[in-house]
Amino acid sequence: DSGVTQTPKHLITATGQRVTLRCSPRSGDLSVYWYQQSLDQGLQFLIHYYNGEERAKGNILERFSAQQFPDLHSELNLSSLELGDSALYFCASSVDRAGTGELFFGEGSRLTVL
Amino acid sequence: DQQVKQNSPSLSVQEGRISILNCDYTNSMFDYFLWYKKYPAEGPTFLISISSIKDKNEDGRFTVFLNKSAKHLSLHIVPSQPGDSAVYFCAASAYGQNFVFGPGTRLSVLP
Repeated sequence: DSGVTQTPKHLITATGQRVTLRCSPRSGDLSVYWYQQSLDQGLQFLIHYYNGEERAKGNILERFSAQQFPDLHSELNLSSLELGDSALYFCASSVDRAGTGELFFGEGSRLTVL
Repeated sequence: DQQVKQNSPSLSVQEGRISILNCDYTNSMFDYFLWYKKYPAEGPTFLISISSIKDKNEDGRFTVFLNKSAKHLSLHIVPSQPGDSAVYFCAASAYGQNFVFGPGTRLSVLP
């Protein structure tokens, strides 16, 4: 158990819809990262928040947005969903700002867009 | 442009033998490298790391080697066990930047 909690574990929805994925980081971790893993692909970095502020953006579509709340949990919002958005979405947390420490991953949220 | 490459999508090894997983990178600014292991239906878990000031780091059966001039690192697992069967991701970062992950290598350890 990494200490990172993601909900929901599985989600099936239709094209054009909007979903919200939630992540609670490990206790004490200030950084939250979101990654997307499509079928047989690596982990694509989407976005990073540190203590409520956006730190870095990766390959995140404009239809996607995220935020980190004062209690440090984070939400990833995916809108106008397309078939290609079907993927595993991982949240990870770390204690530091970026690039210097281990990331702890949640179990992921599997999104299926039909 | 893939900055971190794992050119072998899969690898099969006999139990008890050595598993060698390779990773190449293109960004010379990368100075910290990690290996993660991922089982099906679970998130990746940290395995071992190495910073650019070292060329080797060992933790039990796992050893990571870094060749900076070749921009290459490798993970050695000796001896390999069936429980090591998983997808292994190599990740790299430059100081203050976010980690870039490779596409992963699926290791199968055959009993």
